[in-house]
Amino acid sequence: AQSVTQLGSHVSVSEGALVLLRCNYSSSVPPYLFWYVQYPNQGLQLLLKYTTGATLVKGINGFEAEFKKSETSFHLTKPSAHMSDAAEYFCAVSENSGGYQKVTFGTGTKLQVIP
Amino acid sequence: EAQVTQNPRYLITVTGKKLTVTCSQNMNHEYMSWYRQDPGLGLRQIYYSMNVEVTDKGDVPEGYKVSRKEKRNFPLILESPSPNQTSLYFCASSPSPGQRGTQYFGPGTRLLVL
Repeated sequence: AQSVTQLGSHVSVSEGALVLLRCNYSSSVPPYLFWYVQYPNQGLQLLLKYTTGATLVKGINGFEAEFKKSETSFHLTKPSAHMSDAAEYFCAVSENSGGYQKVTFGTGTKLQVIP
Repeated sequence: EAQVTQNPRYLITVTGKKLTVTCSQNMNHEYMSWYRQDPGLGLRQIYYSMNVEVTDKGDVPEGYKVSRKEKRNFPLILESPSPNQTSLYFCASSPSPGQRGTQYFGPGTRLLVL
């Protein structure tokens, strides 16, 4: 069964500092991996996804993530945090299960950006 | 505008009083799903539907029902709500039930069961 672990339920960074949100997964087959962002009082929206091909994936708002199969990781990074990045971030893994997309979400990481 | 809409956005009810949360998408997506979000637990799938009249249980289906009579609509029904169903609920849709499908989420419905 697939699973996702996000290390750190809360992360605080200073404005302009590096953002690093960690995600590790387990999957019995090559996974498809996603990062979603949830701003306060809103639904989730896709930040970026890895399906096949290049392991370094670029997303919206300057975020990127690298798929490392040997480490079963898909960490999210951004070189310089902005106040508008304050949100909750969810890592997710998707597997084909009987012809449908079985998506499993992590428990989320709340990012606080300090001025 | 392509979107997933949910109604109501906020709902306070009492134990045992049947309620329905509506979900509608205007993107002609085949795949729709309901999740609940609870602190420390992330999102957990309640039910999903691969197409009209095709629904199946997710990870936490107890106490919930769904129907898919039209492609655009996927209502969530709580026949006899209980306090442990107090949660934030999200509907999502995807153009494909396959692995590559990205999910589009509604704005959420915050439910309080007294």
